[in-house]
Amino acid sequence: DAGVIQSPRHEVTEMGQEVTLRCKPISGHDYLFWYRQTMMRGLELLIYFNNNVPIDDSGMPEDRFSAKMPNASFSTLKIQPSEPRDSAVYFCASSGRLAGGSLNNEQFFGPGTRLTVL
Amino acid sequence: AQSVAQPEDQVNVAEGNPLTVKCTYSVSGNPYLFWYVQYPNRGLQFLLKYITGDNLVKGSYGFEAEFNKSQTSFHLKKPSALVSDSALYFCAVRDGDRGSTLGRLYFGRGTQLTVWP
Repeated sequence: DAGVIQSPRHEVTEMGQEVTLRCKPISGHDYLFWYRQTMMRGLELLIYFNNNVPIDDSGMPEDRFSAKMPNASFSTLKIQPSEPRDSAVYFCASSGRLAGGSLNNEQFFGPGTRLTVL
Repeated sequence: AQSVAQPEDQVNVAEGNPLTVKCTYSVSGNPYLFWYVQYPNRGLQFLLKYITGDNLVKGSYGFEAEFNKSQTSFHLKKPSALVSDSALYFCAVRDGDRGSTLGRLYFGRGTQLTVWP
């Protein structure tokens, strides 16, 4: 498996523009997580899904942020409009189950998308 | 609520010396504890976990962690540090609620480990 795939790897945009980040989880994983990492705030969980259903979006900063998971192999995180304070590295991660069906809490992280909002 | 604390932002150690990165936890129920490592410009990578059983857990790259229930600690250790171990280390604990929230991990703020030659 190629692991968790994120695109783009780098995004530079201007304030006010819409930004869409994409994630393809590992096949068979039923959990998907979106994180944001900055020097100031560290690693923050934004939202996570189980079986494509959002479980907790309390980490989403404000209404400018939205996330979707239309199917088991794809998720998007959208920022509209973007602001300079959104500049960060955004990680997607996924986790699945062990052979017996119990949870495997080992999360597999993608390489991240480095977002710069000017 | 579940939480972990990493009391040190930075740990510096000479190559060849033993290293310890500290983590304490607060959980309701049985603790499921994890260590992750992040190298520069990369995502986090799983190192090891404690679910149950032996208090000393062995993981990748020669790392191990000791679970101490009385001190609510889960410190990461390595007998002999390498320069290549320099990275950001995160401790994490699983959510203790039932159902779908069990998939969530709560991460600490991270500890930057620097091993100098």
